[in-house]
Amino acid sequence: GIQVEQSPPDLILQEGANSTLRCNFSDSVNNLQWFHQNPWGQLINLFYIPSGTKQNGRLSATTVATERYSLLYISSSQTTDSGVYFCAVPPHPGQGNLIFGKGTKLSVKP
Amino acid sequence: DSGVTQTPKHLITATGQRVTLRCSPRSGDLSVYWYQQSLDQGLQFLIQYYNGEERAKGNILERFSAQQFPDLHSELNLSSLELGDSALYFCASSVGTAEKLFFGSGTQLSVL
Repeated sequence: GIQVEQSPPDLILQEGANSTLRCNFSDSVNNLQWFHQNPWGQLINLFYIPSGTKQNGRLSATTVATERYSLLYISSSQTTDSGVYFCAVPPHPGQGNLIFGKGTKLSVKP
Repeated sequence: DSGVTQTPKHLITATGQRVTLRCSPRSGDLSVYWYQQSLDQGLQFLIQYYNGEERAKGNILERFSAQQFPDLHSELNLSSLELGDSALYFCASSVGTAEKLFFGSGTQLSVL
């Protein structure tokens, strides 16, 4: 089945710093989503981004489907950005259920 | 607030027991998904329903079952519980079968 790898596994930042999280996937996808799990356990959908670039405030994401990777950019990080960031893709094109990577745990220090 | 409602938020029970977790999807969403999150296995897909019909099945144990009712709410039944079933169980919903997923706040299950 499709494999999803995220890097780095852990990231510690000072407030105000920028960061880039990476997601590699092993097969073609037509659906890629980024999620943030906050320290209280809530999973929040950040982006639905099968290809191209999207921006939402300080966050942006780019998916290069032909090269099988996606990047999540966080600019001017804040302590509320702490948590785990997951990317997820369907096991087969057209399916709605998602396979999740192991995540990147981000800690933003004040 | 994602609009997906899960109850209860916490559940403590004993081995061998049976529990039912409930999920109400966002208004207008026809698909419901169940996921299990544990420290060692990460986020694992269990099962998906679309408009009352089972759509996809993942790593769901035979002791677990689910259904989606005509009003589109869903229930996940876990029986003959074992210590290893302790985990955070999430429900998610989407409009159709392959769109953006919205997650509920989860049910934390502790089997003692």
